[in-house]
Amino acid sequence: DAGVTQSPTHLIKTRGQQVTLRCSPKSGHDTVSWYQQALGQGPQFIFQYYEEEERQRGNFPDRFSGHQFPNYSSELNVNALLLGDSALYLCASRQNSNTEAFFGQGTRLTVV
Amino acid sequence: AQSVTQLGSHVSVSEGALVLLRCNYSSSVPPYLFWYVQYPNQGLQLLLKYTTGATLVKGINGFEAEFKKSETSFHLTKPSAHMSDAAEYFCAVRGYGNFNKFYFGSGTKLNVKP
Repeated sequence: DAGVTQSPTHLIKTRGQQVTLRCSPKSGHDTVSWYQQALGQGPQFIFQYYEEEERQRGNFPDRFSGHQFPNYSSELNVNALLLGDSALYLCASRQNSNTEAFFGQGTRLTVV
Repeated sequence: AQSVTQLGSHVSVSEGALVLLRCNYSSSVPPYLFWYVQYPNQGLQLLLKYTTGATLVKGINGFEAEFKKSETSFHLTKPSAHMSDAAEYFCAVRGYGNFNKFYFGSGTKLNVKP
């Protein structure tokens, strides 16, 4: 079992650009959440997807959007990148009926 | 609303000494509680979790935590620190319900001195 996989591992973008991050959940998991972890901080919840719908959203602007595909994989899109969007983006997956979430290695996004 | 406070952003112990990382939460109802560990340039790995039942929870790598409802605490302990325990540790809470999100503390970096 490959666990939760994220791609790419590192990314450098310029202010104003758009970025797409990808996540494949652990086998058997149907719920995917995205978190932003700024340097020196704990992860902050962005949003959660289940059955291809956004089920919950954290306090992030509309520049942050996502998608879940029929195979449960997910994408996080960020438009009009700001320097402050530089962070580690973590994807977490779980079975909807379970309490426990498994995290991927993250994508390190640097905005210059 | 739920929140998590981790006391001490940095904790330093000697190898073989007791590890104590503190976590307090605020929640209107007893939540699910978790400790995750993060090694440099890695994601989060679950150490242990409390959902219901026994309040003393044992996890991987010799760690354990005790849920104390009266103190709204979920402190993480390990009797004897090992060099490989050096990492950052995050306490998290999650409410009941399928779509509830995790709230994380700001983390505690554990340094283990030889």
